[in-house]
Amino acid sequence: KAGVTQTPRYLIKTRGQQVTLSCSPISGHRSVSWYQQTPGQGLQFLFEYFSETQRNKGNFPGRFSGRQFSNSRSEMNVSTLELGDSALYLCASKQGAQDYGYTFGSGTRLTVV
Amino acid sequence: AQSVTQLDSQVPVFEEAPVELRCNYSSSVSVYLFWYVQYPNQGLQLLLKYLSGSTLVESINGFEAEFNKSQTSFHLRKPSVHISDTAEYFCAVSENTGNQFYFGTGTSLTVIP
Repeated sequence: KAGVTQTPRYLIKTRGQQVTLSCSPISGHRSVSWYQQTPGQGLQFLFEYFSETQRNKGNFPGRFSGRQFSNSRSEMNVSTLELGDSALYLCASKQGAQDYGYTFGSGTRLTVV
Repeated sequence: AQSVTQLDSQVPVFEEAPVELRCNYSSSVSVYLFWYVQYPNQGLQLLLKYLSGSTLVESINGFEAEFNKSQTSFHLRKPSVHISDTAEYFCAVSENTGNQFYFGTGTSLTVIP
């Protein structure tokens, strides 16, 4: 079956703009998480959604937001982009609330100039 | 919050030699442990996981990891590495909800021909 699909793969934005990233989980997976990966900070947890509800949120400013739709697809939005937001954004999905071991997508590489 | 330490940022090793990638975590509460591998320009792939039961877990491609509760460690080992094992390896920990992962900073494994 298809894996976790993230679009777009690459994105270049200007400081101050906003951006929306999309994630389609594996069919049947209801839990979606987002992570930010940077060389300096490594992998940091952004938020996790299950059945359209945000269950956990990492330590990121309010400029970072997300949502999940009834078909489990998820989007994350970053407003008022800063240079430091340049990163690989990874989406991961799993089947249920207690199913362990996320499957990750290939990520969206965001560059802010 | 959990803290995950991967003691070696870079590990060069000759082909067919054994390797150990070290991982320590901070909390002694009930945790679940994972190793993920990341190839260039790709997302994370689950290598193996420890949830409960036998403290030694194995992957299909020859890696194994041992959970040591007293030392709060989950080191990854392979008796004989191949060129194709060259990648970034991440240790991750989640607490009993299994919904938020805490990642180490990664170990870059380079296999030398």
